[in-house]
Amino acid sequence: QVQLVQSGAEVKKPGASVKISCKASGYDFSNYAIHWVRQAPGQRPEWMGWINPGHDNTIYSKKFQGRLTFTRDTSATTVYMDFSSLTSEDMAVYYCARVRGSDSFDMWGQGTMVTVSS
Amino acid sequence: DIRMTQSPSTLSAFVGDRVIITCRASQSISRSLAWYQQKPGKAPTLLIYRASTLESGVPSRFSGGGSGTEFTLTISSLQPDDFAIYFCQEYYSYSWTFGQGTKVEIK
Repeated sequence: QVQLVQSGAEVKKPGASVKISCKASGYDFSNYAIHWVRQAPGQRPEWMGWINPGHDNTIYSKKFQGRLTFTRDTSATTVYMDFSSLTSEDMAVYYCARVRGSDSFDMWGQGTMVTVSS
Repeated sequence: DIRMTQSPSTLSAFVGDRVIITCRASQSISRSLAWYQQKPGKAPTLLIYRASTLESGVPSRFSGGGSGTEFTLTISSLQPDDFAIYFCQEYYSYSWTFGQGTKVEIK
């Protein structure tokens, strides 16, 4: 079945970087962009950016530009999010999500909790 | 940037009630709106896209309406499985902004 499976929870110190993976299965990996969304506790989801695995082009939210890098491995049908210079304000659950066209997110990963603590 | 505002923030209702959640956009977004349901500790799941199109597998008691700046999500007869948080999301501006959420609680 169609699914996105993310890597496990991370604990990082302030100033560190985190790399989260999102493995896609059950569909043509190159045909759907993958977006990244984060959600702090009790808050609304916040869009971070997307990667088009078929063309390897990326778009980042202005809020995160300079700290965020998306990459993909087509042979492994996996996308990666690399997020640097972490602070306590970056503590959240990070989700990857598949977008239908340029439309809504029809499939989500299970989420990866990132804790930032000294 | 487009701002999305939902009302109410919390809603208490009985099983069997008809429930309406409103989402307002700070500028017109045509029909570029989706609704999601989120349960504790889980990822959101898509209910409705393009303002009124029901996602495959979603029960028909869910329906969406509206266009421009005002949208609604209606649950025709609330079921025990429907107690959750609901988010609207615009994708008109390509920044995929979410509303603050509406928590539907058991009365």
